[in-house]
Amino acid sequence: EADIYQTPRYLVIGTGKKITLECSQTMGHDKMYWYQQDPGMELHLIHYSYGVNSTEKGDLSSESTVSRIRTEHFPLTLESARPSHTSQYLCASSASGTGYLEQETQYFGPGTRLLVL
Amino acid sequence: AQTVTQSQPEMSVQEAETVTLSCTYDTSESDYYLFWYKQPPSRQMILVIRQEAYKQQNATENRFSVNFQKAAKSFSLKISDSQLGDAAMYFCAYRSFNTNAGKSTFGDGTTLTVKP
Repeated sequence: EADIYQTPRYLVIGTGKKITLECSQTMGHDKMYWYQQDPGMELHLIHYSYGVNSTEKGDLSSESTVSRIRTEHFPLTLESARPSHTSQYLCASSASGTGYLEQETQYFGPGTRLLVL
Repeated sequence: AQTVTQSQPEMSVQEAETVTLSCTYDTSESDYYLFWYKQPPSRQMILVIRQEAYKQQNATENRFSVNFQKAAKSFSLKISDSQLGDAAMYFCAYRSFNTNAGKSTFGDGTTLTVKP
């Protein structure tokens, strides 16, 4: 079944640790996105990619970095976690091409809730 | 840059009643897409309904329908016969037709409570 996965779902970690949030999709989508969302609040786009070896920073400045070595995989890394990084991180993907409503629809993963102590 | 405004941070509706969530946007483009996404508490965000700007006919999906007013740049969501499972945060989103990377602009969300 085509889907988008995020691991871990929950992560509690100490300040200064390096963490990687995983995101994988089985839909063959070229476009992938990372959003940051505090509980009950708006979404902020922090990174996006429109294909392998292509990454761009989003609208909200973030200390995280991303990579896109494989189409299906879009991990997000924090080199040194801080309490200010505590939030929920949502990964999403959409199909390649433009001009078709189905291709413009984003599919979201379940999210990773990060707590940095 | 496009902006999306959801002027109702919170809404509530009685079960089986109808509720309308508002969304307005600002754009200079003529071709674009509009979406409503639903995010239930602690659950995955999913698409509710979507609309192409060039289509005058309002989209409908079972109990969900939109009132798309292109000239007014308004895209409201109507939920009929509200159910407890409709309780969620709803996000309106705009997507440019011409953006290569296909970034979407999201509103701040409306939290819908359904009262039994």
